[in-house]
Amino acid sequence: DIVMTQSPDSLAVSLGERATINCKSSQSVLYSSKNKNYLAWYQQKPGQPPKLLIYWASTRESGVPDRFSGSGSGTDFTLTISSLQAEDVAVYYCQQYYITPPTFGQGTRLEIK
Amino acid sequence: QVQLVQSGAEVKKPGASVKVSCKASGYIFTTYYMHWVRQAPGQGLEWMGLINPSGDSTSYAQKLQGRVTMTRDTSTSTVYMELSSLRSEDTAVYYCARGPTVVTLYYFDYWGQGTLVTVSS
Repeated sequence: DIVMTQSPDSLAVSLGERATINCKSSQSVLYSSKNKNYLAWYQQKPGQPPKLLIYWASTRESGVPDRFSGSGSGTDFTLTISSLQAEDVAVYYCQQYYITPPTFGQGTRLEIK
Repeated sequence: QVQLVQSGAEVKKPGASVKVSCKASGYIFTTYYMHWVRQAPGQGLEWMGLINPSGDSTSYAQKLQGRVTMTRDTSTSTVYMELSSLRSEDTAVYYCARGPTVVTLYYFDYWGQGTLVTVSS
């Protein structure tokens, strides 16, 4: 199985500031012939199911605010929130879908400083 | 709008079985794979497997092979996940989650609200 490792485990950022979450896969999730990274990001608020934010490492799901962006390729990826809002407090997960089983990172808890 | 509505919380004894349902609406049921993902208390997310509602084919996580069964009823647009020989470490919130249009991609664009299964003697 591909192991997904996120850093940091928790993060506190001031309102309006940038938040950056990292995700590293144990092997590349880049499908070279298609030039696509099989990597998704989710947001999970307390008591709610996860919500898809980004797929293909950088494609925002419909309705997701443009302050959320994804970047990276191969084994190293980043989720950036450009200007933190109060409603962004949540746990964020990365997930690879390059091979079965799909696997998730351990999560990064984002709080307001 | 797409909705996935799951059955209510369950409390089971070790060794018993549980069957969780997920009723889909707002889209063509047979067009999208349905996956199951679980989350132990305070823990991360674990993929359990999938069912193709069109042909009834399934694929299960290796660690759950032999204990998990996923089925569907196309007449009610409902998928089911049954887990047998329950143990305490199966205590978790169980989610159904829809895959995208391209069925061979295993990310999840809509999720059910979750069903808490508690295994306790």
